[in-house]
Amino acid sequence: GQNIDQPTEMTATEGAIVQINCTYQTSGFNGLFWYQQHAGEAPTFLSYNVLDGLEEKGRFSSFLSRSKGYSYLLLKELQMKDSASYLCAARYKLSFGAGTTVTVRA
Amino acid sequence: NAGVTQTPKFRILKIGQSMTLQCAQDMNHNYMYWYRQDPGMGLKLIYYSVGAGITDKGEVPNGYNVSRSTTEDFPLRLELAAPSQTSVYFCASRPDRARGELFFGEGSRLTVL
Repeated sequence: GQNIDQPTEMTATEGAIVQINCTYQTSGFNGLFWYQQHAGEAPTFLSYNVLDGLEEKGRFSSFLSRSKGYSYLLLKELQMKDSASYLCAARYKLSFGAGTTVTVRA
Repeated sequence: NAGVTQTPKFRILKIGQSMTLQCAQDMNHNYMYWYRQDPGMGLKLIYYSVGAGITDKGEVPNGYNVSRSTTEDFPLRLELAAPSQTSVYFCASRPDRARGELFFGEGSRLTVL
């Protein structure tokens, strides 16, 4: 199955931290991606997790727990340009969640 | 490298018309995908291909057809367009390696009136 769930919207203040959760069905799982999509643009790759644990890449980190079918994307030191939709995608057929719209306020 | 190129970028169709969305990539990727994205929604997989001559259905294939005669090209055909097919269509490709992330085209915005 490919049921992927993530929150619809989140709002945070510039400079703060936001955590976007993603849950997925574990059957057939072989990797999880996070993408960023600004309004009117194509998605761009942020991170990929296939093993449990935290992957850090600058201000963005992604965590995976395969046994729990759970991942999160952590955005630190938020900037206005981080306002976008964040899409979680499981690798079976690269099925995407509906996306979480993050709004960063000054 | 041009990456993934989609044409047209914008198109308006009348109900019942047919058209083909073109997608080409120059990265020699075997895997290619077609997604649609409705306003305020995530991406839904229409069709995908794991190599020339091989295609398979995704989550929402009804009303669409694809072909993959070459590694480079993966056109998406809409037969008998309906208002429900008004959407933004994204083509994407990825390399074979395990960590292969998707490379997206810029999207094709289709309106069916």
